[in-house]
Amino acid sequence: DVKVTQSSRYLVKRTGEKVFLECVQDMDHENMFWYRQDPGLGLRLIYFSYDVKMKEKGDIPEGYSVSREKKERFSLILESASTNQTSMYLCASRGTGPVYEQYFGPGTRLTVT
Amino acid sequence: QQQVKQSPQSLIVQKGGISIINCAYENTAFDYFPWYQQFPGKGPALLIAIRPDVSEKKEGRFTISFNKSAKQFSLHIMDSQPGDSATYFCAASRTSNTGKLIFGQGTTLQVKP
Repeated sequence: DVKVTQSSRYLVKRTGEKVFLECVQDMDHENMFWYRQDPGLGLRLIYFSYDVKMKEKGDIPEGYSVSREKKERFSLILESASTNQTSMYLCASRGTGPVYEQYFGPGTRLTVT
Repeated sequence: QQQVKQSPQSLIVQKGGISIINCAYENTAFDYFPWYQQFPGKGPALLIAIRPDVSEKKEGRFTISFNKSAKQFSLHIMDSQPGDSATYFCAASRTSNTGKLIFGQGTTLQVKP
């Protein structure tokens, strides 16, 4: 059973703080994704990684960076948190080959005050 | 930007009724169309998916109908149950090693007892 875990369910940070969101998957998946979920906007891709130390920008990368030093771990970094980054953040992973299902973590609700 | 447009944003259905959610896409290169289901406090999970070589796929009470010429696809939930109350997302992608998904805006379904 695939498991994707995220380090925090709820997080409150102040404007200007550096924020780290951690994601770990246990299925040896090559591909990992970070999304933000906002009402009426669906899930929007921030960054994804297709291998260790490899990353590509998604649709809304501004204000974010990522790190993937180990295959099972993918971190999202908010360099200087702003109130418009208050959102639900979802991590997902997927293997390669013909199975295209993405497995999601439970999400981190981030509030920036 | 490649988009997937989903409607309605919210839907209320009586128990036993049929729930219908629609999606339209732009990029004719998309060849994988999944639906994800998300319960409160949980990450999205794959519900059912279709490829454009078939016009319909059924799994239990859930059916995807696909119209390639119109670039539209829809989710039908037959005999809707209160336990189906959730947020539903359609998505589309080009099958590739990364499996990057473009999500619709989401539909919040409430099934009344």
